[in-house]
Amino acid sequence: DAKTTQPNSMESNEEEPVHLPCNHSTISGTDYIHWYRQLPSQGPEYVIHGLTSNVNNRMASLAIAEDRKSSTLILHRATLRDAAVYYCILRDSTGNQFYFGTGTSLTVIP
Amino acid sequence: DAGVIQSPRHEVTEMGQEVTLRCKPISGHDYLFWYRQTMMRGLELLIYFNNNVPIDDSGMPEDRFSAKMPNASFSTLKIQPSEPRDSAVYFCASSLVTGATEAFFGQGTRLTVV
Repeated sequence: DAKTTQPNSMESNEEEPVHLPCNHSTISGTDYIHWYRQLPSQGPEYVIHGLTSNVNNRMASLAIAEDRKSSTLILHRATLRDAAVYYCILRDSTGNQFYFGTGTSLTVIP
Repeated sequence: DAGVIQSPRHEVTEMGQEVTLRCKPISGHDYLFWYRQTMMRGLELLIYFNNNVPIDDSGMPEDRFSAKMPNASFSTLKIQPSEPRDSAVYFCASSLVTGATEAFFGQGTRLTVV
């Protein structure tokens, strides 16, 4: 079952950075931190994942706390197309235990 | 690869009828997951398979629900008999057997039971 805690909703102005937090205080040493997002009327899509070090890709950056009990998804410049529900998920090294929590609904204000 | 393919995209059926949802995972993926999404309960993991074998079906709500994976390229989720409370969007996802890679989701099947 979901082992992460996220705020229910957040707002951001268009073209400003967005920091989406996630707490996972019971994370184990082999758990990967994954982020997915779900745009309206679509299936969830992968955003980014990491284990211990911060990660960057074309969509976002993932900042992982040193103790790994929290992480932050960073969208560097929010666009209207980034309005979605963002889910923070823990997956162990075998890839199972793939449970979604309630996520954070991000609203981007023009 | 065309991604995870689900069919049908929409299904409307009458209460009591049998419903079969279909999923074709990405070739080479070992895991297949079935989810149900409703406004009230969010995304619920129903069952997942590893190499065509059901591993954990504890999320399946009732005996009316069953899932099979006869081969690596096909899975079905069946509801018999269907009830109005089964109305939801059902998603299928596939991934490799590791937490270090992404999972891919289908577009979902929107089921309406009237």
